[in-house]
Amino acid sequence: DAGVIQSPRHEVTEMGQEVTLRCKPISGHDYLFWYRQTMMRGLELLIYFNNNVPIDDSGMPEDRFSAKMPNASFSTLKIQPSEPRDSAVYFCASSPGTVGYYEQYFGPGTRLTVT
Amino acid sequence: GNSVTQMEGPVTLSEEAFLTINCTYTATGYPSLFWYVQYPGEGLQLLLKATKADDKGSNKGFEATYRKETTSFHLEKGSVQVSDSAVYFCALSLRYSSASKIIFGSGTRLSIRP
Repeated sequence: DAGVIQSPRHEVTEMGQEVTLRCKPISGHDYLFWYRQTMMRGLELLIYFNNNVPIDDSGMPEDRFSAKMPNASFSTLKIQPSEPRDSAVYFCASSPGTVGYYEQYFGPGTRLTVT
Repeated sequence: GNSVTQMEGPVTLSEEAFLTINCTYTATGYPSLFWYVQYPGEGLQLLLKATKADDKGSNKGFEATYRKETTSFHLEKGSVQVSDSAVYFCALSLRYSSASKIIFGSGTRLSIRP
């Protein structure tokens, strides 16, 4: 099993540009999560999906952020337009079932730098 | 509400020292408790878990016991190694909740000196 795959691993962009982060969950996992990690705010849950349907997006910081899951094997997190304060490491994670019983499997993360 | 509080770091120890990282929780339902570890440049990975009171989770020499009476889940290891240097996150999730989320603590950075 290849684990959760994220791309790109590093992204450097200028303020105002659109950024798209990609995630491929582990095959057979029904849940997909997007997190953001910064030194100041720690690990924040942005949004999660169950069977490709967004369940809770209350952590999405503002309308500049959007996430989609068009099928069970692919999800995107888009920031448009990007701002310097969006600089962070973005993690995707997947889980085979409800996290009350199952662990989450994290990808290696995408380090985003907005200049 | 539901929350996790863990000791602030960084924690710096010498190799072979005894480790304790404190974690306490507040939960409105029936939580499962976890310790995740994040090595430099990587994502989080599950270290151990316990799903009910008095359960002990263990892995790689680390242990933690689910203490309902003190609402705690402290992480311990008898003899740490340099390779244990990482950030450790205590976390909880509610087993009978429709919200399938994990609530993470703020993380504790551990550094081990050779």
